[in-house]
Amino acid sequence: DADVTQTPRNRITKTGKRIMLECSQTKGHDRMYWYRQDPGLGLRLIYYSFDVKDINKGEISDGYSVSRQAQAKFSLSLESAIPNQTALYFCATSDPASTDTQYFGPGTRLTVL
Amino acid sequence: QKEVEQNSGPLSVPEGAIASLNCTYSDRGSQSFFWYRQYSGKSPELIMFIYSNGDKEDGRFTAQLNKASQYVSLLIRDSQPSDSATYLCAVNEDSGAGSYQLTFGKGTKLSVIP
Repeated sequence: DADVTQTPRNRITKTGKRIMLECSQTKGHDRMYWYRQDPGLGLRLIYYSFDVKDINKGEISDGYSVSRQAQAKFSLSLESAIPNQTALYFCATSDPASTDTQYFGPGTRLTVL
Repeated sequence: QKEVEQNSGPLSVPEGAIASLNCTYSDRGSQSFFWYRQYSGKSPELIMFIYSNGDKEDGRFTAQLNKASQYVSLLIRDSQPSDSATYLCAVNEDSGAGSYQLTFGKGTKLSVIP
C-alpha cells in the first residue's frame, strides 16, 4: 500500500461548489503539506501543518481551508470553487526528526468548470 | 522574495551522455537541498538530498553544492531514455520564526534521445 494516499484522484466540478480533497499517510510523519501545481508556475505551497494543533498558511492560501483531523489525515477544502483553482494538487509529509525530506502523494487532478 | 531558479529547458542529451542540471537559490541561510524527478502527470519523487558543500554520489546521480555561490547541481551519468522527466530543485529556506519550508524551482525538463 502507498504511504501517502489522496482521494479523489480526479474530480470535475462546477464553479461555486464546495470541494474537499483528502490526504492520508501511514508514514507516521508529523508534518503534512498541501501544494498545487500549475504549468509554468511550479509547485506552490497552500497550507502546512507541523502537528495536529498547528496549521499555517503557505504562499497561496486564499480561497482554501484545511483541517488536520489526526496525525495521519490532512484535508484541503475549496469552499466555493472557481475555474482558476483548476490544477494538480499534491499532499506531502515529512519527518523533522529524520531528514525532513518531503514525500508526495499521487496527486488529485481538479477541474473547475 | 526567496527564489529558486532553474533553466526550464528542454535539455536534450543523447543516450549514454552526462546530463547536467543546475539550480541557484537566493536565501543564504538555506540548510538543505533536494532534487526530485517528476514524470508527466505524476508526483515528484526524491532522487537525493545534500546538506554539505561538495559532491554526493548515489549510483548514476551526483549532487553538487556550493553554498558560497548559492548553487546546486545534479549530474546524471550514462543517461537513459527513462531519465526523461522534469527535475525539480527544492531548497529548505527559513520562512520566519525558525520555521523552514521547501521552496521549489519550476523545474528543468530533460529529454534523453535514444
